Formats: sequence, C-alpha cells, structure tokens
Amino acid sequence: DAGITQSPRYKITETGRQVTLMCHQTWSHSYMFWYRQDLGHGLRLIYYSAAADITDKGEVPDGYVVSRSKTENFPLTLESATRSQTSVYFCASRGTGGGTEAFFGQGTRLTVV
Amino acid sequence: KQEVTQIPAALSVPEGENLVLNCSFTDSAIYNLQWFRQDPGKGLTSLLLIQSSQREQTSGRLNASLDKSSGRSTLYIAASQPGDSATYLCAVPKAAGNKLTFGGGTRVLVKP
Repeated sequence: DAGITQSPRYKITETGRQVTLMCHQTWSHSYMFWYRQDLGHGLRLIYYSAAADITDKGEVPDGYVVSRSKTENFPLTLESATRSQTSVYFCASRGTGGGTEAFFGQGTRLTVV
Repeated sequence: KQEVTQIPAALSVPEGENLVLNCSFTDSAIYNLQWFRQDPGKGLTSLLLIQSSQREQTSGRLNASLDKSSGRSTLYIAASQPGDSATYLCAVPKAAGNKLTFGGGTRVLVKP
C-alpha cells in the first residue's frame, strides 16, 4: 500500500522495557520526522532525518534513539520506557521542494505502565 | 524561535455557516504553510499547502490565504457540515527539511 504506515497502532509496555515503534513510507521521501502529541503540549518533534544515515535531535529527544539505514524506514526506540513517555507518536515524511506536503502516519498510542 | 498560534482554541457553529480559522506565526521567513485536519484518535490529514510565494490556495470548499508580512494565514471552510467537525492545525517549516512547527489547533464543532 502506498503511503506512510506505523506499527504497532497500540502498545502497552512496562517501565524499563525497550520499545521500538516502526515507520515505513513508500514515496522515497528524503525527510522523515517523529512527533509526540500530548494534551497541553501539542505536537513536539522528537527526531528528524534528512536522508538515510542522517538524523538530528528535535525538541524532546531524551530517552529516544532513532536510526535510518534505509530511506523508507525510520524506527524510533525508547531505550528504557518511562511513564512520561506515555503518548501518541506520529511519524511523518516529506519530499523536497516548497510545494511538497508533509504526510503523517496513523499514529501509535503507547502506554507505559 | 518560531511560534505558531491558533485562536480560538475551540469553535462551535451551526451547520451551513462559513468557518474562519486563524493561524499566526512570529517568523515570516517560512518555506510554506500547511493546514491539517485531525479527527479524534486519528492521524493528521493534509488539507492544503500554500507555498511562501503564494497568497491563496483552494480545494473544494476550502480556501486558505497567506500573508507573510503580517504573519497570518486564514482557512475558510464554506457551508460547514457536521462532518467538518474536527481539530484543525496549521504548521510552518523554515526551510525544506526543517521541522514543522505546529499551532495548538482549533477544535471545531458543527452542529446539525
């Protein structure tokens, strides 16, 4: 299927466990992003990537790790999950050019207990 | 640092009325501006993108304007329908690969 897909859609994990959220896009977009959305904070950027093997921190990177070995995939790993990382996580991608829209995945709702 | 504001935070209108949603940003050096719709529990759906060189963009009942000099964009939705009920967000990047900075959103309720 064309587009951007995230998996899993829902995840419950325990404090201290490692969790990886997956993101896959089929457009070969250069840019990919991870955001988290929380009530009262809106959408905040965690990490972004300009191309394969190029990543950079966003506003709230602590506790997260990303990699991008292939253009189409941009996994987000919580190294040791904490309750404060309970959130809805969105992956997005965008191509180059001023007329290129950003597209978002359906989101992953993560609960850390 | 770019700041994006959307006022009001919530809006309720009767069906058929036109919707006017506002977005303001502090740094006029934007690459483009994008409007999104988000339904409860869902992801963000792109509605319109206005490039920095454009003043207006239209798609069906939706029309978005952009005034970079004053740091404002307005999304107009004509003849609102209950199905238009959702949260509408605007977002701006400073350059091609830069992050999107989002406004807090306007939650819209269209009453039948």
